[in-house]
Order: sequence, then C-alpha cells, then structure tokens
Amino acid sequence: GQSLEQPSEVTAVEGAIVQINCTYQTSGFYGLSWYQQHDGGAPTFLSYNGLDGLEETGRFSSFLSRSDSYGYLLLQELQMKDSASYFCAVNNYGQNFVFGPGTRLSVLP
Amino acid sequence: EAGVAQSPRYKIIEKRQSVAFWCNPISGHATLYWYQQILGQGPKLLIQFQNNGVVDDSQLPKDRFSAERLKGVDSTLKIQPAKLEDSAVYLCASSLGSLGARSEGTQYFGPGTRLLVL
Repeated sequence: GQSLEQPSEVTAVEGAIVQINCTYQTSGFYGLSWYQQHDGGAPTFLSYNGLDGLEETGRFSSFLSRSDSYGYLLLQELQMKDSASYFCAVNNYGQNFVFGPGTRLSVLP
Repeated sequence: EAGVAQSPRYKIIEKRQSVAFWCNPISGHATLYWYQQILGQGPKLLIQFQNNGVVDDSQLPKDRFSAERLKGVDSTLKIQPAKLEDSAVYLCASSLGSLGARSEGTQYFGPGTRLLVL
C-alpha cells in the first residue's frame, strides 16, 4: 500500500524557521510535492522534488532523499500569513498523486 | 490565464438524493483529477483522467459515484444516492500532463464544492 506521514501540528513564531517532515511508503515513486492550504481555500502548489537534494523557491525550500523515503519543507522568515495546512504529496508514475494527512502550522506573533 | 472553475460552490442535500459537480480545467491541461477532502484530512484522489480516458479510479466508490470527461475538457462528478459520510469538499485539479520535472508535480486546484449531506 501507499502511506505518508507528517506531524499533525507545528507552532512557531514570526521570523523563525520551521521544518515540516514527510516520510512515505509507495511503489513507483517519481517525485514529492508540497502544497499549502489556508482554511476554506484550495491547495496551492509550493515546491516539487524529482531528484535528491534541495529546491529553493524564495522563503520556501524543499528537500528529498529517495534512499530514506524522506523529504521536508523548510519555511524561513515566517510570517503570519504562513499559518495554514501543509501537505506533502507523492507523485507516482502515471502522475497518480497521494497526499499526506497534512501539518497544521500556526505562526504566533 | 483563467484558473480551474468549479460549480456549484456549496450544496446541501438530504441523504439518498443525487448531486452533480462540474469542473472546467485550465485550457490545454490534459490531466484532470477529482479529489474528496474530508475536514482535517488530506485530499483523497477519486478519479484521474488523461484527456477523456480514465487513468485511475481505484478509490472511486463506483456503486454510487460516477464521473465523465466526454470531450477531454470539462468534467462532471455525480453521487447517487448520497450518504452522510459523503459530506466533504470536492476538489477538481488539472495539470499539463507533460514531461518536465517541475510540471509533473504541479496541479492547479479549483475552489472546490462544499457538500453537506443531511
């Protein structure tokens, strides 16, 4: 079967750095994506790792280690607007996507 | 560029009634997905289309759910009859479906339809 694990909640203060981990078990793994979802909103794409290593996009970075079946999303210079749920999603061959349970990030002033 | 359009945005029905959701993906996107998202959980893929063909419907409860994408563009998801546990947000997403490291991880989601079954 396929499964993904993420912490359910993370809390941090404005300006801090936070890391959200994701471990996965899947067959036909192709890449790992990260999505942000504000309450009542739709998921929006943040980052994608098709290869091992770090991808940087502004304040957000994402890392993948295929050998460890592990990835993380790093958020720097946290802002209040970053309070949201963050989902990792495994992209399998054929573009089949499986989403993780989500991590709720609360940014405190 | 217009985003993914969905309608209706909200729907309240009684159990055993039927309901239909509509989705129009981003122009040129070959792949269309329907997800069910229950409050507090991640989106769960119900069905995936590549153009007008079904790629994956392994998690679609076929005894009550059906979906079609007749001309390879817009799509309809139907529930008949609805159950209480179908209360959720139904999200439609689309992607280019083309090769390329970045595009393969990128789905664009519509605003969703919030369904409440009473």
